[in-house]
Amino acid sequence: DQQVKQNSPSLSVQEGRISILNCDYTNSMFDYFLWYKKYPAEGPTFLISISSIKDKNEDGRFTVFLNKSAKHLSLHIVPSQPGDSAVYFCAAPHNFGNEKLTFGTGTRLTIIP
Amino acid sequence: DTGVSQNPRHKITKRGQNVTFRCDPISEHNRLYWYRQTLGQGPEFLTYFQNEAQLEKSRLLSDRFSAERPKGSFSTLEIQRTEQGDSAMYLCASSLNRGNTEAFFGQGTRLTVV
Repeated sequence: DQQVKQNSPSLSVQEGRISILNCDYTNSMFDYFLWYKKYPAEGPTFLISISSIKDKNEDGRFTVFLNKSAKHLSLHIVPSQPGDSAVYFCAAPHNFGNEKLTFGTGTRLTIIP
Repeated sequence: DTGVSQNPRHKITKRGQNVTFRCDPISEHNRLYWYRQTLGQGPEFLTYFQNEAQLEKSRLLSDRFSAERPKGSFSTLEIQRTEQGDSAMYLCASSLNRGNTEAFFGQGTRLTVV
């Protein structure tokens, strides 16, 4: 049962344009979401998070939007830069005392110079 | 470097051998997690420690796998009688003991079973 889904395995975006990465979830108990970025041969690096009490969180070039009724979140990167090329995972913790994370399958973002 | 440290970075082993990986979390973090990532998938939860207590194990963690965190600091993950299906990236993460804080990941140990 894939509780966190990223339906686009890959995305290519021109440098300077906006990158939009999408994530859907099925577990209505999730109330906090995180985005991680992963370069090859490295561990995931935390990027940005959002609580379900908000519908938007912004940090520099990165903005995450949450639509609770649709169980959908998206990560916007603007403007996109070559260093943004990586695999992006959305994740949600199970808040039953341990916050173990359920990850999506990831979207590989390629920024074209 | 005060991040999560994992050793070794790479391990190649023959099928049937035992392997052990080490994770040193961020020093003030009392939660420690092990995840496994295979090609094309996101990291999958294996097990979780709060201090030295192992509080949860995934059904992915067969009886050939054992994890310890003896003094509530570093942790080890041992795989006995390795199989080719064990080939994966093994990731360790740590976090503080409070709600809605991000987990910080190490660089992982890439295991290849030949």
